[in-house]
Parts: sequence; structure tokens; C-alpha cells
Amino acid sequence: QLQLQESGPGLVKPSETLSLTCTVSGGSISSSSYYWGWIRQPPGKGLEWIGSIYYSGSTYYNPSLKSRVTISVDTSKNQFSLKLSSVTAADTAVYYCARRIYCTNGVCYPGYFDYWGQGTLVTVSS
Amino acid sequence: NFMLTQPHSVSESPGKTVTISCTRSSGSFASNYVQWYQQRPGCAPTTVIYEDNQRPSGVPDRFSGSIDSSSNSASLTISGLKTEDEADYYCQSYDSSNRGVFGGGTKLTVL
Repeated sequence: QLQLQESGPGLVKPSETLSLTCTVSGGSISSSSYYWGWIRQPPGKGLEWIGSIYYSGSTYYNPSLKSRVTISVDTSKNQFSLKLSSVTAADTAVYYCARRIYCTNGVCYPGYFDYWGQGTLVTVSS
Repeated sequence: NFMLTQPHSVSESPGKTVTISCTRSSGSFASNYVQWYQQRPGCAPTTVIYEDNQRPSGVPDRFSGSIDSSSNSASLTISGLKTEDEADYYCQSYDSSNRGVFGGGTKLTVL
């Protein structure tokens, strides 16, 4: 059974960089069939798509966050990571990592998130 | 980029049918699939509909999805409502550059 687990500091100071890692177990991050993504949810609010990465390093980012976001992948550790710079209180949220379908039966397209981590709350505060 | 607009909340009685809409502000659903996610309090979202109208294994056939090209909207319909269906529901799709967008979410109350 595939599992994803977010890890990283739960408290980040304003103007600093938020860094999270998602560890994938029960499957390979190097599979050609999937992208790997980050989604966040501020307390009491809706979901926001942050970005996705392929095992090759190809990325897609939310235009509204693109200037501050970097998503990277480490296939040797079966992990992918999120860095969000210059954070403010508005970046306080539960951050989820998830697997996204990319190719099915030889057909490739932006698909749905089929496995999610449990989420981790990151608070931005001094 | 485009927006996906959902009603803030809907409510219905057990056993009844409810439909949640998701309207795309620009572009077309014909160019990218719509997904629907269910999120119960304190939990990560789970998929109830993918590729407009497909159900993952384990999702009951009470859940169905559709697209209305004339109104550029997608709908999630839940029939035979159960109290366990009470949750937040989010639609999600992609733009022409494969960047994802979520709707604002709809709180379903089954009372």
C-alpha cells in the first residue's frame, strides 16, 4: 500500500523559508506513471494547488506562488520536497503531499490525486 | 488563469438526492478533466469522481459526475444521501499549461 508522509518544521518565522519533505513508501517515486504534488489548506478554508513534479524534475507551479516556490525530487531517497520563501501569516496552512496520476495505459494527461499524505500544519509566526 | 466556482453550502435530507455545481470562469472543461474530492473534518481529501464521471474502486455508485458544456459547468450528484456523506466537496481541474485549480469547496449537510 502506497503511503506518503510529510515532515518538516511546524513553526516558521515570517520572511523565512518554509521547507517540507514528503517521503514515499510502498512504491517508487521514479515511476513514469505519476507526478507528485503539494496542496495546502489554510485553517477553515479551501484547498490550494501549489505545484507538481515528475521524477525527471519537470515541474508545474501555481502562478500565484511561482516566484516563491521550489519543488524538487530526490529519487535516491524516494522523496520530494517543497520550499516556499518569504513566508507570511497567509502561508499558515495544512500542507499535503499527494501522488497524481499522469499516464494510464500509455495515455498521458493531468490526472487526479489518488494518494494523499495525512497533512502537516505549518504556522507562520514570530 | 481560470476559477472554479462552487456553492458555499448545500443541505438535504437522508435518502434524497443532491447536486453540487462547479462553474469554470474561462476555458472549457472539454480540454481537461474534472475531479471531485470529498474531505471529512480533520482528514485528507479522497477522490469520489475522476475524469469527469469515473468512480474509483470503493466509491459507491450513489456518486456520479457530469459535464454541461453549454453552461461550462460540472456537477457532482449524490443520490440516496447518507449521514456519512456529510463533508466538504471540492472540484478540481487543470489549465492549458497543466496547472491545477481547485474550486472553493461546498459544505454538504445531511439533516
